[in-house]
Amino acid sequence: DTAVSQTPKYLVTQMGNDKSIKCEQNLGHDTMYWYKQDSKKFLKIMFSYNNKELIINETVPNRFSPKSPDKAHLNLHINSLELGDSAVYFCASRYTGGTNEQFFGPGTRLTVL
Amino acid sequence: QKEVEQDPGPLSVPEGAIVSLNCTYSNSAFQYFMWYRQYSRKGPELLMYTYSSGNKEDGRFTAQVDKSSKYISLFIRDSQPSDSATYLCALAHDKIIFGKGTRLHILP
Repeated sequence: DTAVSQTPKYLVTQMGNDKSIKCEQNLGHDTMYWYKQDSKKFLKIMFSYNNKELIINETVPNRFSPKSPDKAHLNLHINSLELGDSAVYFCASRYTGGTNEQFFGPGTRLTVL
Repeated sequence: QKEVEQDPGPLSVPEGAIVSLNCTYSNSAFQYFMWYRQYSRKGPELLMYTYSSGNKEDGRFTAQVDKSSKYISLFIRDSQPSDSATYLCALAHDKIIFGKGTRLHILP
């Protein structure tokens, strides 16, 4: 199936731990995003990569480090997890030569205890 | 003033009613206007996309853009329980900004 996939779907961890979330898209898109959606459903962009290059880096703590090994993958590594990092993290992708439609993954629900 | 304002709801309406969802924005640079639908525990999916003032219809859904008032709307006719979801407006120029989303409940 053509889609944006994320792993894991659920992540429960202790404060202070380091964790990674992976995203893959097989849509042939050239731009990928990470969003954070908090408990109030507010969807906020964190990072955007175009052809493996960082193009958007919103005000995000430097404990969050994205990495794009190729156009189809965008991973998110989080160091020293804090309670406030608990949220749903969505990966999305888009083809810049088309419309502004972004295709979202199913989300990773991160709970920091 | 925030770039995009959207009432979070929740909005509860009886089945069959016409639903009106709205967003206002402050930046006249926005050129593309979208509505995303997000079901519980799922990612948002694009519902409607417009890039000009006026109306665009797709089945029971109509998107309306008024650039002069910086106001966009989504109308749902003959609402169904399956329309119960969070609806997010999204506006784009060099980047995309999402509204906070409106939670909609259609009561059977």
